[in-house]
Amino acid sequence: GESVGLHLPTLSVQEGDNSIINCAYSNSASDYFIWYKQESGKGPQFIIDIRSNMDKRQGQRVTVLLNKTVKHLSLQIAATQPGDSAVYFCAENIGQAGTALIFGKGTTLSVSS
Amino acid sequence: DTEVTQTPKHLVMGMTNKKSLKCEQHMGHRAMYWYKQKAKKPPELMFVYSYEKLSINESVPSRFSPECPNSSLLNLHLHALQPEDSALYLCASSQELNTEAFFGQGTRLTVV
Repeated sequence: GESVGLHLPTLSVQEGDNSIINCAYSNSASDYFIWYKQESGKGPQFIIDIRSNMDKRQGQRVTVLLNKTVKHLSLQIAATQPGDSAVYFCAENIGQAGTALIFGKGTTLSVSS
Repeated sequence: DTEVTQTPKHLVMGMTNKKSLKCEQHMGHRAMYWYKQKAKKPPELMFVYSYEKLSINESVPSRFSPECPNSSLLNLHLHALQPEDSALYLCASSQELNTEAFFGQGTRLTVV
């Protein structure tokens, strides 16, 4: 079935670098996307969201980009810190009654100092 | 209060036991969710409640029985589970369906 996926299962960066985590989705009806961060032993933590009527949204040190043409979502983390080490999931919702957030496979981000 | 609180944090149960997982939020959210997460996998949707009515059941076995007693509480009743049901069970809530969802810290369930 259709699902949200990720390009890379792991990403290793140096402290201070910018990180880019990618996500490809296949359901063209998806209209709402969220990025979550999950640390070991904890529940997913909301980072940033974006609706399909936007192509970019910025938060504190994070930016989400949405390219509906190629059905691609990315999370950019500026000046990555060791505390950013975690698993990052993108999740999509197709915005219809009877649907809820469906998660992609996740990318493990490792930040070395 | 922006928390979703889940109890217990850890649970070990035998295959013949009956237990319940509890979830509580006081953000006035009208949608609540149960997800199951196995190690190194993404959360998988189990159930969705919207305005205290079951909105989605993702073909979950009947040994898992959800209940939404009121708009702040969500329970997951467990009976006759199998060892393969061992996982992290996550509760989440959102203002409405298709809005920002907040997750609790989960209940780590081990079935022996």
